[in-house]
Amino acid sequence: NAGVTQTPKFRVLKTGQSMTLLCAQDMNHEYMYWYRQDPGMGLRLIHYSVGEGTTAKGEVPDGYNVSRLKKQNFLLGLESAAPSQTSVYFCASSYPGQLMNTEAFFGQGTRLTVV
Amino acid sequence: AQSVTQLDSQVPVFEEAPVELRCNYSSSVSVYLFWYVQYPNQGLQLLLKYLSGSTLVESINGFEAEFNKSQTSFHLRKPSVHISDTAEYFCAVSGGLGGKLIFGQGTELSVKP
Repeated sequence: NAGVTQTPKFRVLKTGQSMTLLCAQDMNHEYMYWYRQDPGMGLRLIHYSVGEGTTAKGEVPDGYNVSRLKKQNFLLGLESAAPSQTSVYFCASSYPGQLMNTEAFFGQGTRLTVV
Repeated sequence: AQSVTQLDSQVPVFEEAPVELRCNYSSSVSVYLFWYVQYPNQGLQLLLKYLSGSTLVESINGFEAEFNKSQTSFHLRKPSVHISDTAEYFCAVSGGLGGKLIFGQGTELSVKP
């Protein structure tokens, strides 16, 4: 049981380049999230999805796009990377349909540097 | 909308001393509350959670947190910390079933010998 898997684990981009971060979960969870973690700011929600084919904006969505074409995958795209997007990105999933299983499970993170 | 404030960004403490990490939340609906721990260069792991019932919840490694609705707080405590407790701790809130998870800014716990 792999849980939540993020690829890649590290990436360096040049300003203006694009890339896609992939998140995959094998727990049949309905909800999936993308967060970014910056020193002193905790985890801020970028976008989230409450089910296959649906997405919604979080606290800091500008400069990012997402897609949830399959229930198990949640993709985060950067169309034109900027140095301000240098961060550690975490994907998480949860299954709010069951009270006792409402916690979120996290991937190991993707460390992205934009130069 | 929900929000979470962790009142201390860094908490240095000596080994075997007690510790309290403070967390306050705001919400217009019933909430679920969580504490997550992040060890260096790792993802987040659930430490404990409050969903309903008893307001005092415990983790397997000696941490406990008490949900205080009137104070809108969910402080994390441990009576005696170990070096291995050194990590960053995040308080989080979700607006009940179907609510998205919102995190506080994190508290860095540093346990010194």
